Amino acid sequence: DTEVTQTPKHLVMGMTNKKSLKCEQHMGHRAMYWYKQKAKKPPELMFVYSYEKLSINESVPSRFSPECPNSSLLNLHLHALQPEDSALYLCASSQPSGASAREQFFGPGTRLTVL
Amino acid sequence: QKEVEQNSGPLSVPEGAIASLNCTYSDRVSQSFFWYRQYSGKSPELIMSIYSNGDKEDGRFTAQLNKASQYVSLLIRDSQPSDSATYLCAVKYSSNTGKLIFGQGTTLQVKP
Repeated sequence: DTEVTQTPKHLVMGMTNKKSLKCEQHMGHRAMYWYKQKAKKPPELMFVYSYEKLSINESVPSRFSPECPNSSLLNLHLHALQPEDSALYLCASSQPSGASAREQFFGPGTRLTVL
Repeated sequence: QKEVEQNSGPLSVPEGAIASLNCTYSDRVSQSFFWYRQYSGKSPELIMSIYSNGDKEDGRFTAQLNKASQYVSLLIRDSQPSDSATYLCAVKYSSNTGKLIFGQGTTLQVKP
């Protein structure tokens, strides 16, 4: 059983739609991450939140807007996406500091298709 | 530019054999090293982490780290068809940001 959950599992949206991806972790972690993964490529970091504050934005286009309402939840708001944004979107969590601040655990992902 | 290199494979081994997966990294100032397994269409699953030179064993998996030579490897003993997956090497360079740098992944095929 994964302790990082993501909804929805699949999402199909048009280029004019607004949608949101949701992630929840039950591991007591205080760092959460969004990654994008294209087919046959490794995960690519998008955003990092540490203690509910945005600490890294990897120059992601503004059509992706992250939000961290509390220490367990992470959202990714999507607006005016392009077909090339179709990918597997992965959420991960870890401790932000200390000896265990190393291992990142991934959720099952949301498979996004932009038409 | 920090880089993590893996042979993309596929690496094909017979069932019961030892599979050896290798990874090199470019920056000596690196702290933590991870192996993730990813089945087709699924998310990465953390299977091993290693932080100091030497070997770390967990069941059929052994991670080996050599910081002087800047490589980390994963050995899978008694390989099973269920081990067939893509194995991603990841390196964490900074203790502050939590950012992982991933290799391209090695595809392992275990043939019955």
